Amino acid sequence: QVQLQESGPGLVKPSETLSLNCAVSGYSISRGYSWGWIRQPPGKGLEWIGNIFHNGGTFYRPSLKSRITISLDTSKNQFSLSLTSVTAADTAVYYCARHSQGVRGVSNWFDPWGQGTLVIVSS
Amino acid sequence: SSELTQDPAVSVALGQTVRITCQGDSLRNYYATWYRQKPGQAPGVVIYGKNNRPSGMPDRFSGSSSGNTASLAIIGAQAEDEAVYYCYSRDSSGNHLVFGGGTKLTVL
Repeated sequence: QVQLQESGPGLVKPSETLSLNCAVSGYSISRGYSWGWIRQPPGKGLEWIGNIFHNGGTFYRPSLKSRITISLDTSKNQFSLSLTSVTAADTAVYYCARHSQGVRGVSNWFDPWGQGTLVIVSS
Repeated sequence: SSELTQDPAVSVALGQTVRITCQGDSLRNYYATWYRQKPGQAPGVVIYGKNNRPSGMPDRFSGSSSGNTASLAIIGAQAEDEAVYYCYSRDSSGNHLVFGGGTKLTVL
């Protein structure tokens, strides 16, 4: 059974960098799939942040592209999110998840998900 | 703004059928995935692909698509179906991923 668990600071100061890790158990992230980050501001909807493929290729949300980096650490079987120059608008629950796609990418889905971690941006 | 548009709220009487819709140009080329999120929980897949349910998902949930609109039907809604439902797919470029704004389902 594949499981994901987010970890990182729950409080980040404005203008600093938000760093989160997602530990994966039950599957080697270097074997396949892509691995993604999604966030949800308090009381609001889900927002896709970006994905990293098992081979290290990435694709990011255009509006966040200049501030984010997603990386793999295959030795620890985890992947990470770095978001620079944070503001209060980056306050959210951050989820990591495994991304699957069907033939030719016609169908796409995140499953399973981590439980999420709340990050508050405040001085 | 989202490239996938959902009604913010829908209600259904207990045991009746409800349809939740998701509109977007990309849905002409890609299937929508439907997620259900209950308060304090991570989202979970309800329907993916053409009309596939994860193991353990009741068969009262079904998905369909026509043109630029994807639909999630719940036939015989139960109290435990009360949640926020999100659609999800690729954007119109096909290069990025996008969620709909979510539909809060109330079971009366």
